[in-house]
Amino acid sequence: DAKTTQPPSMDCAEGRAANLPCNHSTISGNEYVYWYRQIHSQGPQYIIHGLKNNETNEMASLIITEDRKSSTLILPHATLRDTAVYYCIVPSGSARQLTFGSGTQLTVLP
Amino acid sequence: GAVVSQHPSWVICKSGTSVKIECRSLDFQATTMFWYRQFPKQSLMLMATSNEGSKATYEQGVEKDKFLINHASLTLSTLTVTSAHPEDSSFYICSASPVSGGSTYEQYFGPGTRLTVT
Repeated sequence: DAKTTQPPSMDCAEGRAANLPCNHSTISGNEYVYWYRQIHSQGPQYIIHGLKNNETNEMASLIITEDRKSSTLILPHATLRDTAVYYCIVPSGSARQLTFGSGTQLTVLP
Repeated sequence: GAVVSQHPSWVICKSGTSVKIECRSLDFQATTMFWYRQFPKQSLMLMATSNEGSKATYEQGVEKDKFLINHASLTLSTLTVTSAHPEDSSFYICSASPVSGGSTYEQYFGPGTRLTVT
């Protein structure tokens, strides 16, 4: 998997947008960027993935830079329930495996 | 949709005994299931990948004779921790990749099983 770098922690005010950055400068042309999150003491949850175009779903938006070396996950209106560790993953290989790094602990403050 | 369950959600066992954890995909079929382990304040570590009807592939450093994995159907995989020791105490999480639909690396995770070995 391509190496990803994320800040260890971020705070966000409730109701505001949370912008979580991820650097993946060694990403290759056909590798996707995936985002998962893990709320404390629960299993991870798939959020979104993208290749080069911006993506949006009911949970979040994913903005990938034109050179694909970095991306930003946007939670448009963060709530307290969005407090979690967010993982940016660039997986590869035929075994469909995910390698979790240390992620970003997002704390949404009231 | 895409719900994965695990049973039990928590278990306490004595050292030397075995514990079986079940992972079920409730509303989809999964050819591939994954087992992870997570120690406190650490990230998830992949233990093994199992494909329905074949032997599991274990990650380096994971003892296949200690962590027995069976993936007998497209909706059920089990992890048995044999001769458990206190150092096996951890949070065990399974995930499943749908047979159809979803993208290559889209996995659905169970809620996890907290194992405590006394």
